[in-house]
Amino acid sequence: AQSVTQPDIHITVSEGASLELRCNYSYGATPYLFWYVQSPGQGLQLLLKYFSGDTLVQGIKGFEAEFKRSQSSFNLRKPSVHWSDAAEYFCAVGPMEYGNKLVFGAGTILRVKS
Amino acid sequence: GAVVSQHPSRVICKSGTSVKIECRSLDFQATTMFWYRQFPKQSLMLMATSNEGSKATYEQGVEKDKFLINHASLTLSTLTVTSAHPEDSSFYICSLTSRGSYNEQFFGPGTRLTVL
Repeated sequence: AQSVTQPDIHITVSEGASLELRCNYSYGATPYLFWYVQSPGQGLQLLLKYFSGDTLVQGIKGFEAEFKRSQSSFNLRKPSVHWSDAAEYFCAVGPMEYGNKLVFGAGTILRVKS
Repeated sequence: GAVVSQHPSRVICKSGTSVKIECRSLDFQATTMFWYRQFPKQSLMLMATSNEGSKATYEQGVEKDKFLINHASLTLSTLTVTSAHPEDSSFYICSLTSRGSYNEQFFGPGTRLTVL
């Protein structure tokens, strides 16, 4: 069965520090991987996605993620966190075929301290 | 990406009433729309998938007679919570996708439903 694990429920980092949010997935075929960000009371905004090619993908707001097939991971990173990055982050996996549902992880809440 | 709107953004209703939530694509022809609900501090739970012009496919455990979904056009889908009860209080989010977007989903801003 498809599943996504985000092992960290909460993470607190200092402003300016680096960030890594972990995501592990279980999927039977070639996955299509996403990271979304959700601010309180808002919908989800796509940060980045991966479905083929270079395993290091760049996204918006200075985020990047690396797909590691051997580890079934798709960790999200940012070299220097800004206070405005405080939000909840969701990793998702699904098939590449159009119209198919995505499976979301439980989310990681990022707190940024000044 | 596509611009998706939801209306209303927030609704409070009495127990037993029905509430309709609209999801609109403002600049995109959405052949597939998804409806999710999200409880506080939890992830998104897919409720149903709807394709334009056909009946919605509901996830296991979601009552199709309680959560009526109508995908009337390529730009509009509605979710009606019938005979709402306090346990239906939640954050409802729609998303949409189209053939040209592979499997990327574009999300609406969500609707906060509170049933008294």
